[in-house]
Amino acid sequence: EPEVTQTPSHQVTQMGQEVILRCVPISNHLYFYWYRQILGQKVEFLVSFYNNEISEKSEIFDDQFSVERPDGSNFTLKIRSTKLEDSAMYFCASGTAPDTQYFGPGTRLTVL
Amino acid sequence: AQKVTQAQTEISVVEKEDVTLDCVYETRDTTYYLFWYKQPPSGELVFLIRRNSFDEQNEISGRYSWNFQKSTSSFNFTITASQVVDSAVYFCALSGVSSNTGKLIFGQGTTLQVKP
Repeated sequence: EPEVTQTPSHQVTQMGQEVILRCVPISNHLYFYWYRQILGQKVEFLVSFYNNEISEKSEIFDDQFSVERPDGSNFTLKIRSTKLEDSAMYFCASGTAPDTQYFGPGTRLTVL
Repeated sequence: AQKVTQAQTEISVVEKEDVTLDCVYETRDTTYYLFWYKQPPSGELVFLIRRNSFDEQNEISGRYSWNFQKSTSSFNFTITASQVVDSAVYFCALSGVSSNTGKLIFGQGTTLQVKP
């Protein structure tokens, strides 16, 4: 069964460094999402992406964040200058329609 | 504004007990979707169920059942004869059609511990 994959599973970085989190959505999906979960807290929406552009973003998704679908298969989340508070689990999700989302296994980001 | 409330932070039961996880939601949308996800200790989000706002039929899947009541804006989840493998964090989530993006609003989650 097709599934969403994410790499790396765990990323450790120094504060101020740029990180790129990668996701490969399910191949025929058109809707893409990033969510984050700070340890012990709820899952929070970051951004949705459809038709090669951002369709909605949350207040968390400030100028330090960007998303890209560079080659038709990958979907990336870039954080330009990481802060300690960016430490979290980041989940990618994709779907054929807005009402169905399949989640990847997550990338745990640790900012030191 | 949309909101999901899971008032139970932690629940502890003994194996074979039945347990109900509560979920109350708020939305102004007339069309919306409700979800339950399971997050085991390994961290991934496992999809359990999706309901649309026009379908109030209760659903049963094995030991799992869901009770959707629009009158009380609740979508509760019951595990019958709980097992140790059911130990996880369970999230209820809402997606309103008005956003048209599928954005999910999650509750705070309920940590279920099933003891042998």
